[in-house]
Amino acid sequence: QQQVKQSPQSLIVQKGGISIINCAYENTAFDYFPWYQQFPGKGPALLIAIRPDVSEKKEGRFTISFNKSAKQFSLHIMDSQPGDSATYFCAASGKSGGSNYKLTFGKGTLLTVNP
Amino acid sequence: ETGVTQSPTHLIKTRGQQVTLRCSSQSGHNTVSWYQQALGQGPQFIFQYYREEENGRGNFPPRFSGLQFPNYSSELNVNALELDDSALYLCASSLTGLNNSPLHFGNGTRLTVT
Repeated sequence: QQQVKQSPQSLIVQKGGISIINCAYENTAFDYFPWYQQFPGKGPALLIAIRPDVSEKKEGRFTISFNKSAKQFSLHIMDSQPGDSATYFCAASGKSGGSNYKLTFGKGTLLTVNP
Repeated sequence: ETGVTQSPTHLIKTRGQQVTLRCSSQSGHNTVSWYQQALGQGPQFIFQYYREEENGRGNFPPRFSGLQFPNYSSELNVNALELDDSALYLCASSLTGLNNSPLHFGNGTRLTVT
């Protein structure tokens, strides 16, 4: 059972455009929702994270929008740059053993930003 | 601040063999988690170690085992390797305490089983 569904699988955006990646979750016990960025040959790096007590969080060009009732959250990358080309993963975890215990990841979105 | 380091970076093993992967946690972190990332997939949680004990386990068979040492470094051991064990194995460290920290991942060990 896939507990975090991510779409689209791949995304091509022009430089300066907005990249939008969506995730949906099933487990209502999830209370921590991070996004990770992964470049080829590297481990995932934390981009931004949100908890369900807020509906939006912005850090620089990256924004998470969170809809608790719909059990959905999304990543928006404003003014996308070629250097943003990478694979993006949404994830979720619950309170068992600590807020960062057992991250459940989506399958990833390969973002390509054309110059 | 030293990040998470993993060794080796690449490894080739034969089906049925055993393998040990190593991880040094980021300075100040006391918790280590291991994830398996198959090609084109998201990472999957294997287990987590805190205070040298297993603190949760994902859907992996017992031939996947681990250790955490007093200096918070960790090992992942896989016995009786199968072809499907070929993947990128990621170690992540974090701080468990009053102020939990996010997971910080290493660059992984690429394991190929032939």
